[in-house]
Amino acid sequence: DVKVTQSSRYLVKRTGEKVFLECVQDMDHENMFWYRQDPGLGLRLIYFSYDVKMKEKGDIPEGYSVSREKKERFSLILESASTNQTSMYLCASSPNSGRLQETQYFGPGTRLLVL
Amino acid sequence: GQSLEQPSEVTAVEGAIVQINCTYQTSGFYGLSWYQQHDGGAPTFLSYNALDGLEETGRFSSFLSRSDSYGYLLLQELQMKDSASYFCAVRKAGGSYIPTFGRGTSLIVHP
Repeated sequence: DVKVTQSSRYLVKRTGEKVFLECVQDMDHENMFWYRQDPGLGLRLIYFSYDVKMKEKGDIPEGYSVSREKKERFSLILESASTNQTSMYLCASSPNSGRLQETQYFGPGTRLLVL
Repeated sequence: GQSLEQPSEVTAVEGAIVQINCTYQTSGFYGLSWYQQHDGGAPTFLSYNALDGLEETGRFSSFLSRSDSYGYLLLQELQMKDSASYFCAVRKAGGSYIPTFGRGTSLIVHP
C-alpha cells in the first residue's frame, strides 16, 4: 500500500512565524502536491513538484514556498504565517506513468491554526 | 482556464441510487477523476475516465461525455458508510501535471 505521511496532524502557530510542513511518501512517486482545503472551496493546489528540485506554482502559491531535495520528501513552507493561512493542508503523491498518474494518494492532512 | 461545477449537497436513502454530476469548462484535458473523502479523513481515489463512456467498479460507476463537457459518479445500493464528500478533478492537457478539483458534493445517506 502507498503510504503518504505528514509530520503533524495539528499545529498551532503565531502570526509571523516560519512554518514547515513535511510530507513523505514511500512509493517512489515522481509527482508530489500540496493542497489546502477550506470549507466550501474544495481542494486548491498550492504547489506541485514533478521531480527532485523541480516545482511549479499551483492556483494559490502566494505566501508559500516549497522544497524537494529528495524524491520521497516534499516540504511546504510558510515564510511568515498569517491568520488567513489557517486551514487544512493536504499532501499527495502520484506516479508519472500513463493512467496511474491520474491516481493521487493523499496524506492524513495537517490542520494548521495561526493565531 | 478551467472550472468544475458540482452540486454542494445531495441526500438519499439507504439502498437507493444517486448520481453526482460534474460539469466543466476547460479547453482540453486528459480525463475526469473522482475522489471520496469522509469527515476528518483524507481523499481517496475512486475512479478515472480517460475516454467517453461508463466505467464500473463495484457499486460505483463513473461516466464521461467530452462533447457535453459533463461527467457523473453513480452510486448504487447506497449504504450509510457512503455518506462523505465526493470531488471530481481534471488535469489540463499539455504542459505539466496541474490538477483542478471541484468544490465537492456532500452526500448524506439516510436510513
